[in-house]
Amino acid sequence: AQKITQTQPGMFVQEKEAVTLDCTYDTSDPSYGLFWYKQPSSGEMIFLIYQGSYDQQNATEGRYSLNFQKARKSANLVISASQLGDSAMYFCAMRGSGDSGGGADGLTFGKGTHLIIQP
Amino acid sequence: EAQVTQNPRYLITVTGKKLTVTCSQNMNHEYMSWYRQDPGLGLRQIYYSMNVEVTDKGDVPEGYKVSRKEKRNFPLILESPSPNQTSLYFCASSLSVLAKNIQYFGAGTRLSVL
Repeated sequence: AQKITQTQPGMFVQEKEAVTLDCTYDTSDPSYGLFWYKQPSSGEMIFLIYQGSYDQQNATEGRYSLNFQKARKSANLVISASQLGDSAMYFCAMRGSGDSGGGADGLTFGKGTHLIIQP
Repeated sequence: EAQVTQNPRYLITVTGKKLTVTCSQNMNHEYMSWYRQDPGLGLRQIYYSMNVEVTDKGDVPEGYKVSRKEKRNFPLILESPSPNQTSLYFCASSLSVLAKNIQYFGAGTRLSVL
């Protein structure tokens, strides 16, 4: 079975500072994908960044980067130069290859981190 | 514009009154899925479909039905809703079931069952 752990229920950060949101995972799948989603107060789920388990380099998308440490099973999201609009819930999720027998082939989500950017 | 469209966005109903939440995607995705989001429990998968006429249970399928008669549509049916199905529901789609494929989400449907 797959599991995602986000240990920070909430974070307060000053505007323009960098933010690191923690995510650890557990899976027996040899091939998997790791994703981060942002959920603002309006409720929609917005895809931010993806990292494949066999990718050699850490993923980056604009101000977002993923600090992927495979041996430690961690996939932390880094937001550089935070902005007020970054205030939201952030979810780490993974998707396996289905080899583990889980069958659902969907995303397994963590409980999320509520990030608040202060001016 | 590539998108996943859910309707309605908000729904208040009473126990036992059948309802359908529609989901449509215009990206020609093979894989579609329904999730529910509850405080403290995060998002959990209800049902998924790997292609037309192929559906299967996720982690919390009890009380729900789905169908996939066309590639673009994946409605969620609650035959006899109960208060414990009050939740925020998301439809999502991806190109295929592969781990690398990004799942794109609809805007969500807030359901209250009285």
